[in-house]
Amino acid sequence: GQQLNQSPQSMFIQEGEDVSMNCTSSSIFNTWLWYKQEPGEGPVLLIALYKAGELTSNGRLTAQFGITRKDSFLNISASIPSDVGIYFCAGQPQVGGTASKLTFGTGTRLQVTL
Amino acid sequence: SAVISQKPSRDICQRGTSLTIQCQVDSQVTMMFWYRQQPGQSLTLIATANQGSEATYESGFVIDKFPISRPNLTFSTLTVSNMSPEDSSIYLCSVDRVNGYTFGSGTRLTVV
Repeated sequence: GQQLNQSPQSMFIQEGEDVSMNCTSSSIFNTWLWYKQEPGEGPVLLIALYKAGELTSNGRLTAQFGITRKDSFLNISASIPSDVGIYFCAGQPQVGGTASKLTFGTGTRLQVTL
Repeated sequence: SAVISQKPSRDICQRGTSLTIQCQVDSQVTMMFWYRQQPGQSLTLIATANQGSEATYESGFVIDKFPISRPNLTFSTLTVSNMSPEDSSIYLCSVDRVNGYTFGSGTRLTVV
């Protein structure tokens, strides 16, 4: 079945640093989603990408849909303590819409030190 | 985005028993999805629940172990049957939206 590999698995960074993480797939996806999960909560959608090459920002977060459709990247600029959590990528075989399953990445655990 | 209420938020259960998890959405949705998140792991789809039809299960998950109900367009239940310690996980429901999926806060299940 499809698998999404995320790297790095975990990151320990200092407040104010920029963060980069990526997600690669063995097959093509036509939608990429990035989620953040905090302890005791479900994942919360951060950014949705629908087009190869697309670059989308949400505040200090920027995500890109890879040209090959097999990868995606998430950057966080000027990290702050509340950025702590687990970041998951998720792929969907069709563009947006409903009735399409999500495949989740393995997750990147982010820790921010003061 | 949709507001999803899940309950219970957590439970500790004896092996061999069953637990039913409820998921309530504040608007009508076509499909509801149930996921399992084992400790320290990513999310794995258990099944997709349509109103008025049997749920569709993913490979490795069977109806006898995880029966699902979907009586209307805003509600679904997932039962974890004949539990063993290996069933200790977070169980999450999710609904589909055009711009992505929304998740409930999850049910943290510990089987002892």
